Amino acid sequence: GESVGLHLPTLSVQEGDNSIINCAYSNSASDYFIWYKQESGKGPQFIIDIRSNMDKRQGQRVTVLLNKTVKHLSLQIAATQPGDSAVYFCAENMGQGAQKLVFGQGTRLTINP
Amino acid sequence: ETGVTQSPTHLIKTRGQQVTLRCSSQSGHNTVSWYQQALGQGPQFIFQYYREEENGRGNFPPRFSGLQFPNYSSELNVNALELDDSALYLCASSKPGQNTEAFFGQGTRLTVV
Repeated sequence: GESVGLHLPTLSVQEGDNSIINCAYSNSASDYFIWYKQESGKGPQFIIDIRSNMDKRQGQRVTVLLNKTVKHLSLQIAATQPGDSAVYFCAENMGQGAQKLVFGQGTRLTINP
Repeated sequence: ETGVTQSPTHLIKTRGQQVTLRCSSQSGHNTVSWYQQALGQGPQFIFQYYREEENGRGNFPPRFSGLQFPNYSSELNVNALELDDSALYLCASSKPGQNTEAFFGQGTRLTVV
């Protein structure tokens, strides 16, 4: 749903471990979802997307899972690297005939050496 | 890099002033969306332009307005600036259609004093 609050959830993982970032979305009618990575001082960077007719989609080192029953989205990052440190946002498209992305709260991923 | 460029990168304005932010979309993309990202929050949809016309608007007052030019570049104008307008303003370009990948620029950091 709409992003609220000033305190980002934080996830700390060891370098080399797998990371799982979760997101709850608000609109059961949303049919397109995107994960973005945002590094400090930069704009959001596209990671992977998924349409509602899919449950899972894989990219390079990343996998997105979609559970429409409970309106839940997750991003899995395999073999987490220091360069993966960033804030991760899920976004759902709530536009009618237009792309209106509604971003989640964001999760700050920190990699421990 | 996404090929979406925004200018200026940083800007300081006084309350009550007007500001114009600019965005050049990625080659081949004729749809431009603007987002406002307050510190510690996810981006919030302001509006979208397609073929030089507004094509969807978020919950922002009329003092937020925009333009799109024949070359698909776009401007965001904000009148009567308020302190709460201080934020990172992001431009995203995409191909037409509801569920297409949106590429973000690096943003313009606006500070209103």
